This record gives sequence, C-alpha cells and structure tokens, in this order.
Amino acid sequence: EIVLTQSPGTLSLSPGERATLSCRASQNFGSSSLAWYQQKPGQTPRLLIYGASSRATGIPDRFSGSGSGTDFTLTISRLEPEDFAVYYCQQYVTSPLTFGGGTKVEI
Amino acid sequence: QVQLVESGGGVVQPGRSLRLSCAASGFTFSSYAMHWVRQAPGKGLEWVSLISSDGGNKYSADSVKGRFTISRDSSKNTLYLQMNSLRADDTAVYYCARERVPVVSPLGYWGQGTLVTVSS
Repeated sequence: EIVLTQSPGTLSLSPGERATLSCRASQNFGSSSLAWYQQKPGQTPRLLIYGASSRATGIPDRFSGSGSGTDFTLTISRLEPEDFAVYYCQQYVTSPLTFGGGTKVEI
Repeated sequence: QVQLVESGGGVVQPGRSLRLSCAASGFTFSSYAMHWVRQAPGKGLEWVSLISSDGGNKYSADSVKGRFTISRDSSKNTLYLQMNSLRADDTAVYYCARERVPVVSPLGYWGQGTLVTVSS
C-alpha cells in the first residue's frame, strides 16, 4: 500500500499569502497518478489537480501542482477567502487507492 | 450534467447489514469505473472500493474486504455497496464517485453522500 503523508497538518495564513502544501509518498509511483482535492466544511470534495500538475476544469490558475516520484506540492499563489479549506492528496495508480491525511488551511 | 445521488444510509446495529445505492445520470454509466469513498465524522477521506466500467474487476480496502461488496447495474444506472458485519468504525458519510475520464483517473464527480451510523 502506498502511504501518503501530508504536511503540515494545519497552515495558518492570511488572504493574499502564498500556501505551500506537501504530500510525500512511501514509494515512488511516478507523477501521472497524483491528485489534489479541496473540501470545505459540509461540502463534497472537489478535484483540483490531477496528474500531479494538471488543473481540473474550472479551477483557477492560482492553484498549481508539482512534483514527481515521492514528493508532491500543491501551491496556492495568493489565498482568496474561499480557499480556506482542507486539502487532500490521493494516488490513483494502484489499489488500494489512498488519500493523505489532509492539510487544513485556516485564517 | 453529471449527477450522483446516494441513498440507503441510516442507523444500524453492529453486526447487521445495509445496502447503499447511488443513482447516476447525465453520462454513459457503463463507460466509467465507479468508487465508494467514506469519511468518518471529523476525519479524513478513506477510499473504500472500486468497480470497473464493465463490472468485471473489483477492488476494496483491506478494512472492508470480506465484508463489503461493490456492484453495479448498468440497466438501472445504479452503483451499490452491500455492507455486512457492520462495526462501529464503519460509521461515516459514504460518497459514490466517478472517475474524471474513462481511463485510470482521479475522482472527478462526487455525490452528496449518505450517512451510515453503526450503533447499538
């Protein structure tokens, strides 16, 4: 099983600041099967990034993904008030598909 | 537009069974693999199970293997999760989700979820 470890657990920032979220995998699985999701309280998860760096439909360009192998990063260039949420990484290259534990981005 | 509507959740005693359904619309159901993902109260996301587009391949998390069974009925555009021998730690919101595109891909569409509470 590929274990995904996200850090930090909580990120306290202000609107307009840059957010950098990390996702580390327990084994190398390339870069084509890593996704990031955003979940706001009481809402369904929303796909942000797939293939480590491709934005899903309708996702603003302030969200960007990078990385390969075992280390991946989600960057939010300038936080907007609606970006305060929990973010999860996920690998979908092999079963069991696994999620990271999440990073909460809070004001 | 893609719609996924889960049903079948509720309160159930430990050791009992429950079947969840997910009604799909707005896309060609038989072309896409489908998933179940759950989220315990206040916790993160946990992938539960996957079924291929033709139903021929199924995969499950170790935590539910042997207890939960995923299935689909393309004539009804419906995904199912049969949950047996339920335990307290199965308490969660259960989401059905569709892959983004019909190849190996992440979960692009999610239902609103149905809450399963396992309690005596």
